Amino acid sequence: AQTVTQSQPEMSVQEAETVTLSCTYDTSESDYYLFWYKQPPSRQMILVIRQEAYKQQNATENRFSVNFQKAAKSFSLKISDSQLGDAAMYFCAYRNKRRSQGNLIFGKGTKLSVKP
Amino acid sequence: EAGVAQSPRYKIIEKRQSVAFWCNPISGHATLYWYQQILGQGPKLLIQFQNNGVVDDSQLPKDRFSAERLKGVDSTLKIQPAKLEDSAVYLCASSLYRDVYGYTFGSGTRLTVV
Repeated sequence: AQTVTQSQPEMSVQEAETVTLSCTYDTSESDYYLFWYKQPPSRQMILVIRQEAYKQQNATENRFSVNFQKAAKSFSLKISDSQLGDAAMYFCAYRNKRRSQGNLIFGKGTKLSVKP
Repeated sequence: EAGVAQSPRYKIIEKRQSVAFWCNPISGHATLYWYQQILGQGPKLLIQFQNNGVVDDSQLPKDRFSAERLKGVDSTLKIQPAKLEDSAVYLCASSLYRDVYGYTFGSGTRLTVV
């Protein structure tokens, strides 16, 4: 069974600084998707960034980028120039590429605080 | 486009009572998911629908939970009878059939069982 582990229950960053959130996963599959979701107090899960396992190039979305290390099964999220609006719970998630197993498997989350 | 609609936003019930949650996915989204998110944990899949058929309900406690998706559009999730450990946020998400990673989540229903 696939598992996702986020080892940092809480992280804090100064506004305008950079922070990295860690995520490791376990799977026997070779092709899959990885995601970072943001969950603000409104509870709606918002997709931040996604990575396809067969793509070696790390995904980037504006201030958000990932460091995908497939052999190490590591998928960290880097937030540059942190803003107050980045404060939220961040969840790492895995999705098998096979449609019959298409649901997302989430880690326990990391609570990010941004200090002004 | 309109998002995934869920209601109610909050619900408080006593143990052994029943409760129902409603979800209206984005128009045209064939796949619908119900997730349970217990405080301090990530969401866990309860059930996945493809149109009005069940694809995966392996983690649904079928002795007390039930779900249906009539006509492949709206869905309801029911708990009967509720237990204290059912206190959680229940999230609904939907995606296009051929969209391999385009989930859209609703804002969830926060259930408190007392």
